[in-house]
Amino acid sequence: GIQVEQSPPDLILQEGANSTLRCNFSDSVNNLQWFHQNPWGQLINLFYIPSGTKQNGRLSATTVATERYSLLYISSSQTTDSGVYFCAVDSGNTPLVFGKGTRLSVIA
Amino acid sequence: KAGVTQTPRYLIKTRGQQVTLSCSPISGHRSVSWYQQTPGQGLQFLFEYFSETQRNKGNFPGRFSGRQFSNSRSEMNVSTLELGDSALYLCASSLGQGAVYPMNTEAFFGQGTRLTVV
Repeated sequence: GIQVEQSPPDLILQEGANSTLRCNFSDSVNNLQWFHQNPWGQLINLFYIPSGTKQNGRLSATTVATERYSLLYISSSQTTDSGVYFCAVDSGNTPLVFGKGTRLSVIA
Repeated sequence: KAGVTQTPRYLIKTRGQQVTLSCSPISGHRSVSWYQQTPGQGLQFLFEYFSETQRNKGNFPGRFSGRQFSNSRSEMNVSTLELGDSALYLCASSLGQGAVYPMNTEAFFGQGTRLTVV
């Protein structure tokens, strides 16, 4: 089945810094989503981005489907950005496959 | 528009018991998927239901089962609980447009049920 790798596994930032999270996937995808898992465990939708670029406030994402990777950019990070960021993909009528996540800690 | 609702939020059970978790999807969504999250294994797919039919199943023992009702609400059941079943169980809802390609399969998750087996 499709494999998803996220990097880096852990990231510590000073408040105000920028960061880039990467997601590599092993096969063509129909769907790619970025999630932020809050401290209570809920997965919050950030982007639905099987291809192209999207922006939402301080966050933006780019997926290059032909090269099988996606990037999540966080600018001017805040302590509330802390948590685990997951990339998940599916190839059509298949379940979402999750990467292991990037644990982000933003320090004031 | 209401989101995905999972009940209960927290549950403590004893080994050997069984448990039933519930998930109400977003109105109009016909696909419901279940995932188990543990620190060691990450997020693992359990099963997916679409229009009351199980469409996909993950690699879990037969103690894990589920069903979907005509109103798209879904339940999952775990029988003969083991300590290793302690986990966060997440339910996802999506439109589930069947075999039409390209499909919008964007998934929205509930808050999860945290199950502790003692």
